[in-house]
Amino acid sequence: AQKITQTQPGMFVQEKEAVTLDCTYDTSDQSYGLFWYKQPSSGEMIFLIYQGSYDEQNATEGRYSLNFQKARKSANLVISASQLGDSAMYFCAMREGFIKAAGNKLTFGGGTRVLVKP
Amino acid sequence: DGGITQSPKYLFRKEGQNVTLSCEQNLNHDAMYWYRQDPGQGLRLIYYSQIVNDFQKGDIAEGYSVSREKKESFPLTVTSAQKNPTAFYLCASSLISNQPQHFGDGTRLSIL
Repeated sequence: AQKITQTQPGMFVQEKEAVTLDCTYDTSDQSYGLFWYKQPSSGEMIFLIYQGSYDEQNATEGRYSLNFQKARKSANLVISASQLGDSAMYFCAMREGFIKAAGNKLTFGGGTRVLVKP
Repeated sequence: DGGITQSPKYLFRKEGQNVTLSCEQNLNHDAMYWYRQDPGQGLRLIYYSQIVNDFQKGDIAEGYSVSREKKESFPLTVTSAQKNPTAFYLCASSLISNQPQHFGDGTRLSIL
């Protein structure tokens, strides 16, 4: 089974509108972390936001927020007030297990391509 | 400025040839990682290292080798045993903590 599933291969969003990118995950560990990265066409990976499995509040970073629903094993990214520069691939990733034992290695989903229209 | 430097940006390999991709970081991170990305897909872990002189296989280690002789450096060798090496290779580093991984700009490897 896929550990990280991103079901939306591509999305169009109007500039200044909000967009939600879906991410579901599969793990039996109690301790895990969820990350979202942005990859522009140039290829670099840019960290956006992090949510720990024990964090009770949803993470927020500027225009990015994470809708964390632990029982549903989902960690959707919400981008508010979309900008043209938000056009990119977006990847959800998961770190499983306690860090000291498992390290900080990540499993990535297949990504969602977002295109912001002016 | 602190960061991760990957070189070269583009690399071409002849059939049967080994090639080495460089990854250097000056962030004082303990852990380093190599990922492979095929077109339109996510990243897959090749190898990772949490400490000098130690490394572990990731999900797709066959046909690749690494070394970690210095904390700052984690070179990846794509051997002739890797039959489909054309891909985008990304190196990353992190603290052993909840902190996110920082990525280099990547190396695009193609077969001549």
